[in-house]
Amino acid sequence: GENVEQHPSTLSVQEGDSAVIKCTYSDSASNYFPWYKQELGKRPQLIIDIRSNVGEKKDQRIAVTLNKTAKHFSLHITETQPEDSAVYFCAAESNFGNEKLTFGTGTRLTIIP
Amino acid sequence: GAGVSQSPRYKVAKRGQDVALRCDPISGHVSLFWYQQALGQGPEFLTYFQNEAQLDKSGLPSDRFFAERPEGSVSTLKIQRTQQEDSAVYLCASSLLASGGQETQYFGPGTRLLVL
Repeated sequence: GENVEQHPSTLSVQEGDSAVIKCTYSDSASNYFPWYKQELGKRPQLIIDIRSNVGEKKDQRIAVTLNKTAKHFSLHITETQPEDSAVYFCAAESNFGNEKLTFGTGTRLTIIP
Repeated sequence: GAGVSQSPRYKVAKRGQDVALRCDPISGHVSLFWYQQALGQGPEFLTYFQNEAQLDKSGLPSDRFFAERPEGSVSTLKIQRTQQEDSAVYLCASSLLASGGQETQYFGPGTRLLVL
């Protein structure tokens, strides 16, 4: 089955700087890669996603890149703000008719004011 | 519109008790998923429904775990004879379409289960 690895597990950046979180996956059949943000005690919320026919996607301060050959994808947050502090999870969905997501272990992002 | 809701939000059970966790998906969503999230970890897949059909239950950790969605809407996850290792947050998610995948999964707030 699919295995998703995520790095780093914790990340602290100064407010205004950029943050990058990286994930690798094992199943070459995976074709959908969402990123979720989870604040303490809250539900995971989708912040951006990318499909395998696209190499990069951007939404304001958030961007995701996908390298299918290397089987890795990354989340980039620019001009970080205190409200960006949360745990971020990457995930991968395989293309075998089951839409289940396999999640990474999460990155705790702390923005230092 | 209303998002995915779950109840109860918190549940404390004594070891050996049975518990039932409810999920109300977004109206009209075909797919429904249950995930288990241990403290400090990412969600892990338990089971998947397409309407009322349970198409994948490969993630259920033991036969003490049972899920149903009899009318293709509300779903219940039941855990029999709870054990301490069942303590976790149980997340429900739903998505609009079934075929082809790549659909956004919307998560509920979760039920935090503590087994003493």
